[in-house]
Amino acid sequence: DIQMTQSPSTLSASVGDRVTITCRASQSISSWLAWYQQKPGKAPKLLIYKASSLESGVPSRFSGSGSGTEFTLTISSLQPDDFATYYCQQYNSAWTFGQGTKVEIK
Amino acid sequence: EVQLVESGGGLVQPGGSLRLSCAASGFTVSSNYMSWVRQAPGKGLEWVSVIYSGGSTYYADSVKGRFTISRHNSKNTLYLQMNSLRAEDTAVYYCARASAARSWFDPWGQGTLVTVSS
Repeated sequence: DIQMTQSPSTLSASVGDRVTITCRASQSISSWLAWYQQKPGKAPKLLIYKASSLESGVPSRFSGSGSGTEFTLTISSLQPDDFATYYCQQYNSAWTFGQGTKVEIK
Repeated sequence: EVQLVESGGGLVQPGGSLRLSCAASGFTVSSNYMSWVRQAPGKGLEWVSVIYSGGSTYYADSVKGRFTISRHNSKNTLYLQMNSLRAEDTAVYYCARASAARSWFDPWGQGTLVTVSS
């Protein structure tokens, strides 16, 4: 099974900050990676697919990069609506999620 | 509008059974790869099961032999039959669509809470 490891687990940041979350796969997954945002009591929302493709309607301040085993999600200028938990997901072989990164207000 | 709506969650005793439903609109369940994903209280996301468009089914080791995924094509509905439930199965259960075996999940349903407790 492919394991996904996100870092950090929690991130404290201020509005306007540039934020980067890292996701590492236990083996190469090419670019078969997605990123989701989840707010309390809500279902996950797709942000990025194929490692770097922005889902329609998602603000351009979100971007993804990477391939193989190391990936990043970047928020270029953190907005109040962005405080949430973010998950990476590999879909190269079945589906596995990272443990999540909670972005908190500093 | 593409939408998924889950139902069937509730309180059940350990060892009991429950069937979850996921009604789809705006697309055809049988033409997609439909999954169940769960989230225990305060925890992360865990993939549970998938049914391929061709009908093949796969399960996480944690539920293999206890849970069964199925679909009703004319009702355009996905199901998860959960037997021999344990306290550790307590979670919000989401259904989600993947358009292919190598595809992300979108959309997701709103989730239904399953609580296993005596």
